[in-house]
Amino acid sequence: GAVVSQHPSRVICKSGTSVKIECRSLDFQATTMFWYRQFPKQSLMLMATSNEGSKATYEQGVEKDKFLINHASLTLSTLTVTSAHPEDSSFYICSASRQLAKNIQYFGAGTRLSVL
Amino acid sequence: DAKTTQPNSMESNEEEPVHLPCNHSTISGTDYIHWYRQLPSQGPEYVIHGLTSNVNNRMASLAIAEDRKSSTLILHRATLRDAAVYYCILRDGGTGANNLFFGTGTRLTVIP
Repeated sequence: GAVVSQHPSRVICKSGTSVKIECRSLDFQATTMFWYRQFPKQSLMLMATSNEGSKATYEQGVEKDKFLINHASLTLSTLTVTSAHPEDSSFYICSASRQLAKNIQYFGAGTRLSVL
Repeated sequence: DAKTTQPNSMESNEEEPVHLPCNHSTISGTDYIHWYRQLPSQGPEYVIHGLTSNVNNRMASLAIAEDRKSSTLILHRATLRDAAVYYCILRDGGTGANNLFFGTGTRLTVIP
């Protein structure tokens, strides 16, 4: 159990376009979802935390108008990278925690974004 | 958040035990010790966590020092599929926040 699905797994887009990444908890209700970014050969950096039905909490240095997060239901959160530029190229990973085990995060497989 | 220190890399022979160390000398009384691992090109995977007592599960064992300033993740029999970056993370159980802040981790290479 506790499967998190992330889609798409890879996306290539032109500079200036927007890209939406979906994160779904398949077999549990996710009270909280997290979004991370990972550059090559670096560790994961937390971008934001979102709770269902409320606004996301962004980490310092992360532009909320650039990285739009919507957590509309207990099983779905989306991250939209608006007006993407080459420097936004990265590995984006979501995770979710469940009500009964809030201290454990279940991660998606990640989305590799390449902006040309 | 209290920081953790791990070796950058370790090697192990296949089918031998692996002991991955983590130092967390500034750990507070409410900090839980979590371990996650990340296989190449994948999202991280939860391995184990503990507070004071040693913990065992189907994936690994976690040995926590009596003063809690260090811990060791033990893989009892390394396989090639265990090759990954292992992250030791402290999570504050007192605030209720569930954010995880990843350090650089230990890259484990398993030699056939």
